[in-house]
Amino acid sequence: DAGVIQSPRHEVTEMGQEVTLRCKPISGHNSLFWYRQTMMRGLELLIYFNNNVPIDDSGMPEDRFSAKMPNASFSTLKIQPSEPRDSAVYFCASSSSGSAEAFFGQGTRLTVV
Amino acid sequence: GDSVTQMEGPVTLSEEAFLTINCTYTATGYPSLFWYVQYPGEGLQLLLKATKADDKGSNKGFEATYRKETTSFHLEKGSVQVSDSAVYFCARNSGGGADGLTFGKGTHLIIQP
Repeated sequence: DAGVIQSPRHEVTEMGQEVTLRCKPISGHNSLFWYRQTMMRGLELLIYFNNNVPIDDSGMPEDRFSAKMPNASFSTLKIQPSEPRDSAVYFCASSSSGSAEAFFGQGTRLTVV
Repeated sequence: GDSVTQMEGPVTLSEEAFLTINCTYTATGYPSLFWYVQYPGEGLQLLLKATKADDKGSNKGFEATYRKETTSFHLEKGSVQVSDSAVYFCARNSGGGADGLTFGKGTHLIIQP
């Protein structure tokens, strides 16, 4: 298996623009997580899905952030409009039911200028 | 709520030195405990885990023991190598299964030849 695949690896955008980050979880995994990593706040859980249903989105910072999982093999994290303080590395991770282990993608480094 | 506290870095050691990175967690529920490692420019990789009290996780010469009495999960290695240089994250789940992880802030380990 190729592991969790995220795209793009790097994104530079101007303030106010819409940004969409993409994730393909490991086949057969039914839980998917979005994390944000910054120097100041470390790794923060933004939202997670179980069987394509959002379970906990309490970590989503603002209404500008939204996440979808239309099917078991694809998820998006959208920021609209983006702001410079959204600059961070965004990680997607997946796990299988009953397993405590999460597998991470390589992340998307977002820079909002 | 759930939280994880680990020692601040950077930690700088000479090759073949003994390593300890301290980690404590809040004693809520019956969590599983994890150590993840992040190499530069990459996502997090699971290093080891323990799912119940007194379990010892081990991998690549690293060890950590789940200590319920001290709510600790300290990472140790008897003889570090330059290739161990990375950022190490201690983490816990809520104990309810495949839910999101709560991470410590991370400890940057630098091994000098």
